[in-house]
Amino acid sequence: EAGVAQSPRYKIIEKRQSVAFWCNPISGHATLYWYQQILGQGPKLLIQFQNNGVVDDSQLPKDRFSAERLKGVDSTLKIQPAKLEDSAVYLCASSLGTSGRAETQYFGPGTRLLVL
Amino acid sequence: GNSVTQMEGPVTLSEEAFLTINCTYTATGYPSLFWYVQYPGEGLQLLLKATKADDKGSNKGFEATYRKETTSFHLEKGSVQVSDSAVYFCALSRPGNNRKLIWGLGTSLAVNP
Repeated sequence: EAGVAQSPRYKIIEKRQSVAFWCNPISGHATLYWYQQILGQGPKLLIQFQNNGVVDDSQLPKDRFSAERLKGVDSTLKIQPAKLEDSAVYLCASSLGTSGRAETQYFGPGTRLLVL
Repeated sequence: GNSVTQMEGPVTLSEEAFLTINCTYTATGYPSLFWYVQYPGEGLQLLLKATKADDKGSNKGFEATYRKETTSFHLEKGSVQVSDSAVYFCALSRPGNNRKLIWGLGTSLAVNP
């Protein structure tokens, strides 16, 4: 079974530039999550999709971050314009979306973003 | 509010030593509890989980018991190996909260040969 795919793996940009990350979840997984992980901290949920609908985007900085999952499969997370404090690892995860609170989330390898 | 507190790292052990990584939580209701592991250069992966009080999760020689009376879910392994070197995250999810995970800060473990 293929895992969660993410690209690119690394990205270096200058502040005020834009950047986009792509994620392809495990086939058949209805729920998709984007996390931001700053060095030395736990993951912070940015946005959660159930199929192509947003379930939770309460911690997404909507003035600069956007995400979509148009066909309920793969997803794109965009930052425009980027700030220095956006330097982090961006993790995508997916889960079946049919079970209860003990459902396992499966993570991709992450995209490491450095904003100069 | 809901939160997870883990012991601070880094933890450095010799091979075959006993490992304990403490995790305590604050949550309303009856959360599910998880340990995730992040090996160098890899993504997070589930190590073990427990869904109700007194449940014991186990995997790869690691164990953790859901203790509601002490609100704890400490991770233990009897004999660590160099390959266990990683960052370990404790997390919880609450009922009726869309499976959202609340994460600890992570504990880095280094095992020396």
